[in-house]
Formats: sequence, C-alpha cells, structure tokens
Amino acid sequence: AQSVTQLGSHVSVSEGALVLLRCNYSSSVPPYLFWYVQYPNQGLQLLLKYTSAATLVKGINGFEAEFKKSETSFHLTKPSAHMSDAAEYFCAVSEIFAGANNLFFGTGTRLTVIP
Amino acid sequence: GAVVSQHPSRVICKSGTSVKIECRSLDFQATTMFWYRQFPKQSLMLMATSNEGSKATYEQGVEKDKFLINHASLTLSTLTVTSAHPEDSSFYICSARLTGEWDGYTFGSGTRLTVV
Repeated sequence: AQSVTQLGSHVSVSEGALVLLRCNYSSSVPPYLFWYVQYPNQGLQLLLKYTSAATLVKGINGFEAEFKKSETSFHLTKPSAHMSDAAEYFCAVSEIFAGANNLFFGTGTRLTVIP
Repeated sequence: GAVVSQHPSRVICKSGTSVKIECRSLDFQATTMFWYRQFPKQSLMLMATSNEGSKATYEQGVEKDKFLINHASLTLSTLTVTSAHPEDSSFYICSARLTGEWDGYTFGSGTRLTVV
C-alpha cells in the first residue's frame, strides 16, 4: 500500500530565500512520485514527476525534486522564492505496474512567502 | 496539453436538492476518471473511480446512492450529489487519466459546493 507524509503543514519563507518542502513516501513497489500546486479555489497543477528515470527532476516555475530511495524521500526545492509561489503544495504517489491506479496524496503544505 | 473542463466552478443549492457536476476531457479520451473531495485546508480524498461504460468503484465510507457517478462516454463523467445537506458542502475535483499513459493525470479546476 502506498502513502505519503508531508512534514510541516505550513512553511514560511522570505522572498528570495530557499524553499524546501518535505515529502516521504511508503510503497511496496517502485513508486511514481508527483508534486502538485494548488492555488485558492482551483484545481491541481502538476509541478513535476518522478518516473524511475533521472533521480533529480526539474519542473516548472524553477522547482525541482530529488528522489532518494534510501531515504524514501522526494523533497521539493526552489533556490529563490517568489511571491507568486505562495500556494498549497501536494506530494502524491502512484505505483508502477498498476492499471488504472489513482494517486495517493499527502496532507499538503501551505507555503507563505514573506516580502 | 490535455485539459479537463469542470463545471460549474461554484454552486449554491438549497438543502434537499440535487446538484450535478460535469467533467469533460478536451481533445483526449478519458477511460478512467477520479472524483476527489477536499475539505478546507485538507488534502484530496478519493471518493470514487469511474470507468467509461461501467459502474463506478467507490471508496470505503462514500455513499454511492448519494454521490451518483456516471461515465457514459469517453469524454464526460458526471457527479451528482443527491439530496444535498450542509455537510456535503465541499470542494470537489475530478481527474482524468490519459489513455495509454500511466502518469497522465490531469485535473479539473474544481467545484465549490455550498449547501444552505
């Protein structure tokens, strides 16, 4: 069974500072991992995904994440926060070899960017 | 890219009435769609998985008679909240899986349902 744990429901950073959003996963088989961003009253937008290729994944808006199997982690980072990055971020996992499998979401991390 | 159009974006209804939410896949066929519910400041909880032409599979604890899902075509899935009550007020989001792409999940923009 898969599960995702996002440490820190709320993260605040200053504009221009490093963004680090933590995600740890649990999966009995090799996982596919995703980061999504959600702005208020909107759906989810895919930031990036890990699909068993390169462990360092680059996404949109300057975000990237590194898959670390030994740590079962997929933390999201961005070198320099921008005001427009303020949003809710969700980490999600899906299993490889699955059929019409759905995504399992973490509880989300709300990112606040301080001017 | 593949887009899922979800309507309405907001709806207010009276207690006891029914509300239908539509999700349409634009320019692609969605054999599988997922319906999620999101409470304020919480994560997305999967309600059900619908496959075109067959009955939806509901997650444990989700009342299938209350949340009717129809996936009659490869481009349209609907969620009907029947006899809505204030506790059904929530944000509902659909997601479609692209045919032939395991990782092709695309989300609708969500529907904010308020039952008064």
